[in-house]
Amino acid sequence: DSGVTQTPKHLITATGQRVTLRCSPRSGDLSVYWYQQSLDQGLQFLIQYYNGEERAKGNILERFSAQQFPDLHSELNLSSLELGDSALYFCASSPGLGNTEAFFGQGTRLTVV
Amino acid sequence: GQNIDQPTEMTATEGAIVQINCTYQTSGFNGLFWYQQHAGEAPTFLSYNVLDGLEEKGRFSSFLSRSKGYSYLLLKELQMKDSASYLCAVRLSAGFSGGYNKLIFGAGTRLAVHP
Repeated sequence: DSGVTQTPKHLITATGQRVTLRCSPRSGDLSVYWYQQSLDQGLQFLIQYYNGEERAKGNILERFSAQQFPDLHSELNLSSLELGDSALYFCASSPGLGNTEAFFGQGTRLTVV
Repeated sequence: GQNIDQPTEMTATEGAIVQINCTYQTSGFNGLFWYQQHAGEAPTFLSYNVLDGLEEKGRFSSFLSRSKGYSYLLLKELQMKDSASYLCAVRLSAGFSGGYNKLIFGAGTRLAVHP
């Protein structure tokens, strides 16, 4: 158990809908990262937050947004969902701004039908 | 741009040694990580190199050559449970990624260990 908690584990929704994925980082970790992993694909970096502020952005679509709250949990919002958004979404956390390894949650499997 | 290359698939025999290579071309470099990922599960940290040379950790070792943009993960005394994907990831230095470190991953190498 990495100490990073993601909910829900599985999510099935229809095209055009909006969903929110939640991540609670390890106790004491200030950085949260979101990654997308499509079938047989590598981990694609989406976005990083540190202590409530956005710090780095990757290949995140405009339909996607994220935030980190004062209690350090983070949410990834996906809207106007398309079939191609079906993927595993991982959250990871680390104590600082990337000076150590990141610990990954178990992921949320999103299926868009 | 950022580019990380690994072989897509490898096979090996239980008890043997296997080397998984990773080459990278990135704007800025501040460390290389190896993660293991079983299908449908979270990646788990294996090793970290920031200086040239070999880091050994039990059955796993990782090597880095920054001048060549090259790393490898060496797995010894292979066990069936080592069948998984192995992900090479580069941490970009802050100056090249908007002021903060960013970890980017290769597509992973799927290792199948056979009896």
